[in-house]
Amino acid sequence: GAGVSQSPSNKVTEKGKDVELRCDPISGHTALYWYRQSLGQGLEFLIYFQGNSAPDKSGLPSDRFSAERTGGSVSTLTIQRTQQEDSAVYLCASSPEWGGYEQYFGPGTRLTVT
Amino acid sequence: GENVEQHPSTLSVQEGDSAVIKCTYSDSASNYFPWYKQELGKRPQLIIDIRSNVGEKKDQRIAVTLNKTAKHFSLHITETQPEDSAVYFCAASDPMGGTYKYIFGTGTRLKVLA
Repeated sequence: GAGVSQSPSNKVTEKGKDVELRCDPISGHTALYWYRQSLGQGLEFLIYFQGNSAPDKSGLPSDRFSAERTGGSVSTLTIQRTQQEDSAVYLCASSPEWGGYEQYFGPGTRLTVT
Repeated sequence: GENVEQHPSTLSVQEGDSAVIKCTYSDSASNYFPWYKQELGKRPQLIIDIRSNVGEKKDQRIAVTLNKTAKHFSLHITETQPEDSAVYFCAASDPMGGTYKYIFGTGTRLKVLA
């Protein structure tokens, strides 16, 4: 079946502009995660959605970052007033509610802030 | 919060030799430990995982060991092949306690020399 998809695959934006990154999880997966991977670095947790529960926003680095998940499926990560340090690959993952804890990753969106 | 340390950051081995990557976690409540492989330009993919109720798990040439007392777990790859070259990430989470997000280590770049 279809895996996790993300769009756009690449995004170049000017400092100070807002960007929206989209994630389509695997159909039926109730949990959705956003991570950030800076060049040559590990994966940093940003935010986690599980069903209708309040999201875990504990990893968001500043109030310029926000995310929403509509209808329990598609999610959008929004970065306002982008800064150069926001340049990174933003990865989305999803997992089923039952049957295991594996997270399935999307291909990522490479964000470059100039 | 949870912190995961991973060593070494880079590892070069001759084809056919074994490779060992080590991770240490800080939160004793963590009970699920996945390992992900990320090839250049690709998404992370799960290669093996272990839950806290077992001390070792093996899948063909890869194995993971867990020492809960020391809060330490390791990835072992035997008979390495050039296609094992990639970045490997360990992670920890507490799904049994309701915390499904992963806290990742900083990654190990493995190079298998032919």
